[in-house]
Amino acid sequence: AQKVTQAQTEISVVEKEDVTLDCVYETRDTTYYLFWYKQPPSGELVFLIRRNSFDEQNEISGRYSWNFQKSTSSFNFTITASQVVDSAVYFCALSEAQNFGNEKLTFGTGTRLTIIP
Amino acid sequence: DVKVTQSSRYLVKRTGEKVFLECVQDMDHENMFWYRQDPGLGLRLIYFSYDVKMKEKGDIPEGYSVSREKKERFSLILESASTNQTSMYLCASSFTRRGTEAFFGQGTRLTVV
Repeated sequence: AQKVTQAQTEISVVEKEDVTLDCVYETRDTTYYLFWYKQPPSGELVFLIRRNSFDEQNEISGRYSWNFQKSTSSFNFTITASQVVDSAVYFCALSEAQNFGNEKLTFGTGTRLTIIP
Repeated sequence: DVKVTQSSRYLVKRTGEKVFLECVQDMDHENMFWYRQDPGLGLRLIYFSYDVKMKEKGDIPEGYSVSREKKERFSLILESASTNQTSMYLCASSFTRRGTEAFFGQGTRLTVV
């Protein structure tokens, strides 16, 4: 069975500090996808990034960067120079192939990030 | 913009009531999902549907059923609401394509008293 572990339940940092959110996954699939979602106080999950299991290149998007390492089954997310607007719950997720070509996501328990002004 | 709309943000129901949570998406997505979100447990899949009138059980289907009569609409039904079903319910939709992201509604916070 698939599993996603986000060991950090809550993190608080002062604005402008860098922060890394950890994600460790387990799967037997050889082809899989990993995702990060952000859930602001409004409640709607917002997609941030997707990574497939064959692409271990790190990715940077503005202040956000992601480090995917198959050797340690990790997909960590770093926010550089954090801002108050980054305060949210962040979820890591792993896709699992189903019948008929569709798939479902297995989510971690989330990390609540608070940026202190 | 992709829109996934849940009919209510907040609901309060009594124990034993039959409860309907409605979700509509406007992107012609084949797949639709219902998740439940609880503190410390993350999102857990209740049911999903990959086509009209098709449904599959997720990880925690007990006490719930679903209906998908039209492609754009996916309903979650609590046959007889209980206090342990007090939770945040999230609907999502996606295309049938490996690695595609899911789009989420704003959530319905259900309280059963």
